[in-house]
Amino acid sequence: QKEVEQDPGPLSVPEGAIVSLNCTYSNSAFQYFMWYRQYSRKGPELLMYTYSSGNKEDGRFTAQVDKSSKYISLFIRDSQPSDSATYLCAMSDGSSYKLIFGSGTRLLVRP
Amino acid sequence: EPEVTQTPSHQVTQMGQEVILRCVPISNHLYFYWYRQILGQKVEFLVSFYNNEISEKSEIFDDQFSVERPDGSNFTLKIRSTKLEDSAMYFCASITTTSQETQYFGPGTRLLVL
Repeated sequence: QKEVEQDPGPLSVPEGAIVSLNCTYSNSAFQYFMWYRQYSRKGPELLMYTYSSGNKEDGRFTAQVDKSSKYISLFIRDSQPSDSATYLCAMSDGSSYKLIFGSGTRLLVRP
Repeated sequence: EPEVTQTPSHQVTQMGQEVILRCVPISNHLYFYWYRQILGQKVEFLVSFYNNEISEKSEIFDDQFSVERPDGSNFTLKIRSTKLEDSAMYFCASITTTSQETQYFGPGTRLLVL
């Protein structure tokens, strides 16, 4: 079983749609959960992070963590064409803070 | 806003040659990381570095790899004898000690080994 699993997509939605991106994981030691956005041939850009379980909101973005199900989500409201990118989930157990990444979901928001 | 920078942006080398990838982390950051991303694959951890020594390394980080912080600002990754399979994007990242969950990445160096 892979440590972090993420549907690679692509996910194509019309502008203004609500987008739901998800990851599952197997390591119960993970405590920190991050979402990164990566444009083609660029470095990952940190969008949001969450410690342990719960929700966190930042503008159009909401991150959710359900540790009991080992499942994390990122919701994007009122999606824009500029949101088109690959979204990476990443996790850490908080000891060395090395990140374990999902494979990324490619999102396309159509105008 | 402070950012992690990396040079060069692209590097083409012949198999068996040595390459040095350079990174300038954010100035008050104390933990440094190298990751790589082979085209079409996930970002993979290579090594973490703190207090002038390696704190953790992955199975990928074998004897062909080394890291160094030669001065107060630069952080380098050296590959002694490059292989075709070393072709990838290499990302440097850094964190502070007060906000250890927010790891900031540089733009990457695209390495192509021929």
